[in-house]
Amino acid sequence: SQTIHQWPATLVQPVGSPLSLECTVEGTSNPNLYWYRQAAGRGLQLLFYSVGIGQISSEVPQNLSASRPQDRQFILSSKKLLLSDSGFYLCAWTRPGLPSSTDTQYFGPGTRLTVL
Amino acid sequence: AQSVTQLDSHVSVSEGTPVLLRCNYSSSYSPSLFWYVQHPNKGLQLLLKYTSAATLVKGINGFEAEFKKSETSFHLTKPSAHMSDAAEYFCVVRVYSSASKIIFGSGTRLSIRP
Repeated sequence: SQTIHQWPATLVQPVGSPLSLECTVEGTSNPNLYWYRQAAGRGLQLLFYSVGIGQISSEVPQNLSASRPQDRQFILSSKKLLLSDSGFYLCAWTRPGLPSSTDTQYFGPGTRLTVL
Repeated sequence: AQSVTQLDSHVSVSEGTPVLLRCNYSSSYSPSLFWYVQHPNKGLQLLLKYTSAATLVKGINGFEAEFKKSETSFHLTKPSAHMSDAAEYFCVVRVYSSASKIIFGSGTRLSIRP
């Protein structure tokens, strides 16, 4: 069966510091991968998605970047964090292949980021 | 364009009574519709999904939803609420096959009174 991991689970960082959040998927090859941010009391905002190694699409211009150095690894980064980067970050995967409207997204446990 | 509206930001019911969480969508084409549940500080878990098969969809934990094209609705129901159902619920609509065209509702927080 497939599993998705995120770490760290919780992170407190000062403004201006760098960020690296990691997401890995087990049990499948070449999944489509997604990064979302969930601000307090709000819905999910799609930040990045990837359909393959080295292929990153950005949905919202911002202070963050993403990379996919390996097939089942998706990393969210920032060189200098802002206060507005605080939130709950969720990674998700869907089945390999061309995206379909019927695809189910499977979410990781999330990372709670607080920028002070 | 596609959109999704969750009509209630917060719903409170007594344990053992029915649950109704409302979701309306807007779409030019036949949509796929999903309901997810999120417990505090956890990821989202799929409850059920509609993908143009049977209009009444049964999910996990006793939840079900009915796709009503004439009303553009996909409301989530459960006959009898349990304390463990207290969580945030998200309705999601997806029309296109693009990886980015996934629209999440703003969520409904469900509280259960003892």
